[in-house]
Amino acid sequence: RKEVEQDPGPFNVPEGATVAFNCTYSNSASQSFFWYRQDCRKEPKLLMSVYSSGNEDGRFTAQLNRASQYISLLIRDSKLSDSATYLCVVNHNNAGNMLTFGGGTRLMVKP
Amino acid sequence: DAGVIQSPRHEVTEMGQEVTLRCKPISGHDYLFWYRQTMMRGLELLIYFNNNVPIDDSGMPEDRFSAKMPNASFSTLKIQPSEPRDSAVYFCASSRTGSVWNQPQHFGDGTRLSIL
Repeated sequence: RKEVEQDPGPFNVPEGATVAFNCTYSNSASQSFFWYRQDCRKEPKLLMSVYSSGNEDGRFTAQLNRASQYISLLIRDSKLSDSATYLCVVNHNNAGNMLTFGGGTRLMVKP
Repeated sequence: DAGVIQSPRHEVTEMGQEVTLRCKPISGHDYLFWYRQTMMRGLELLIYFNNNVPIDDSGMPEDRFSAKMPNASFSTLKIQPSEPRDSAVYFCASSRTGSVWNQPQHFGDGTRLSIL
């Protein structure tokens, strides 16, 4: 089993739609969770951290379910510019700053 | 603020040649990571340093790969001799120690390496 698993997609949605991605992780001791965004031929960039109580940043909402070991990302009112690959990221262990990246979920927002 | 700086942005070279990739982390960051990304394997961690000391190099594919961090502001990843299967995008990332939580990593633009 992979440490961090994501549906690779692609998710094809129309502009204005709401789309949600899930991600599961295997290490129950993980404490830090992030969503990164990667545009084609660019570097991964931090989108948002994921907190235990869930958090929102504009149109983006992240949720954490520790019992089921999954993380979700909800994008409301999707824009063409949201088209990218979204990487689920979990700290590898609690020693050091190692992060484990999921394979990413590709989102394509169409006009 | 300057981000993570990598050079070169692109490298095309022939099989068997030595390749050296360079990275300057964000000032004040005490962790530095080298990743490789391909379509087939995604983002793979090769090695990481803490305070210039290599901590985990289990991701380094083989002895042809080596990495150094002589000081807090510079690191190199070297491939010698290079092979076509080394073709990939190589990213450097840095982060700082957090008080409780792991801190996010900040990536450089990457080096797109093609071995002919």
